[in-house]
Amino acid sequence: AQRVTQPEKLLSVFKGAPVELKCNYSYSGSPELFWYVQYSRQRLQLLLRHISRESIKGFTADLNKGETSFHLKKPFAQEEDSAMYYCALEGGSARQLTFGSGTQLTVLP
Amino acid sequence: NAGVMQNPRHLVRRRGQEARLRCSPMKGHSHVYWYRQLPEEGLKFMVYLQKENIIDESGMPKERFSAEFPKEGPSILRIQQVVRGDSAAYFCASSNGNTGELFFGEGSRLTVL
Repeated sequence: AQRVTQPEKLLSVFKGAPVELKCNYSYSGSPELFWYVQYSRQRLQLLLRHISRESIKGFTADLNKGETSFHLKKPFAQEEDSAMYYCALEGGSARQLTFGSGTQLTVLP
Repeated sequence: NAGVMQNPRHLVRRRGQEARLRCSPMKGHSHVYWYRQLPEEGLKFMVYLQKENIIDESGMPKERFSAEFPKEGPSILRIQQVVRGDSAAYFCASSNGNTGELFFGEGSRLTVL
């Protein structure tokens, strides 16, 4: 069975501080991992995926197979980064995503 | 492109009634997914459909819940004889089946009195 764990429900940082949102997964095969974000009053949308190896809005995430982690990082948080962040795993042929429970990030002025 | 459209946005039902939630995928998408979000919890996969076919319903409760995606028209998630525990936000997402990226609707919030 595949599982995604986001240990922090709430995370607050000050503007300009580094931020790391933790994500650990459990999957026996080779996973594809994603971060989705939901800003206030907006729909859930893709932020980034590990296979792209890209930085979106200053965020990066590295897949660490040894630690089965896919933590989301940004060196300098901005107030507009305040949102709900979901880590998700796609495994198997059905292409369905398994989501973590989410982390609500608040960036304080 | 209007994106994934869900309706109704809010639905109130009494125990024992039926709830029908509709989802129109993005133009050109033939893959539809339904997720449920209970209060204080994350998104839980329910069912994955392509046109006229259920591909994976491993997340659907065995009773009272059903889903379809007909050749014409929206996908429908149907909950019969609703109970209070069915109160949740139900999200639909669609994809073209290629990129692995899901596009989500705004959700339908069901409240069972």
